[in-house]
Amino acid sequence: GAGVSQTPSNKVTEKGKYVELRCDPISGHTALYWYRQSLGQGPEFLIYFQGTGAADDSGLPNDRFFAVRPEGSVSTLKIQRTERGDSAVYLCASSSGGLETQYFGPGTRLLVL
Amino acid sequence: AQSVTQLDSHVSVSEGTPVLLRCNYSSSYSPSLFWYVQHPNKGLQLLLKYTSAATLVKGINGFEAEFKKSETSFHLTKPSAHMSDAAEYFCVVSDTVSAGFQKLVFGTGTRLLVSP
Repeated sequence: GAGVSQTPSNKVTEKGKYVELRCDPISGHTALYWYRQSLGQGPEFLIYFQGTGAADDSGLPNDRFFAVRPEGSVSTLKIQRTERGDSAVYLCASSSGGLETQYFGPGTRLLVL
Repeated sequence: AQSVTQLDSHVSVSEGTPVLLRCNYSSSYSPSLFWYVQHPNKGLQLLLKYTSAATLVKGINGFEAEFKKSETSFHLTKPSAHMSDAAEYFCVVSDTVSAGFQKLVFGTGTRLLVSP
């Protein structure tokens, strides 16, 4: 079946702009995660959704970052007033439950000029 | 908090020779440990996971890892490297299992290079 998909695959924006990154999880997966992978580093946890609610957002770096999952399926990560330091690959993962294997999408590569 | 340390940023092997990617973990309780592989422009793929059943864990594509509590290690091995194994490998520990979900904590990665 279809895996986790993320759009766009690449996004170039200017400092100060607003961006939205989209994640389509595997159908039926209730758990959804966002991670951020900076160059040369491993992914770092940002936020976890169980259904529609953000159960843990402790990894969001500051209040410029926000994520939603209004219908318990697709999720959008929103970044306001982007900064050059936000440049990274943003990864989405989903699982059939909170303790089940996480399946990752290919990521969105964000470049802030 | 849980953490992992990958001891080598790069490992180079020849095709057909054994692979050893080293990982040490730090955990205040019995950890869940994973190895993920990341091929260029592809999503992270789970190779194997340890969840306190057998200490020797077999994964996909001929990889296996052994959990050694006395050494706090979870090294990844493969008897014979293939060109297609060239990729970035991440050792991962799960945090907050008690909260009902797995917050994955990744190491910094080891790039495996395979030469003909």
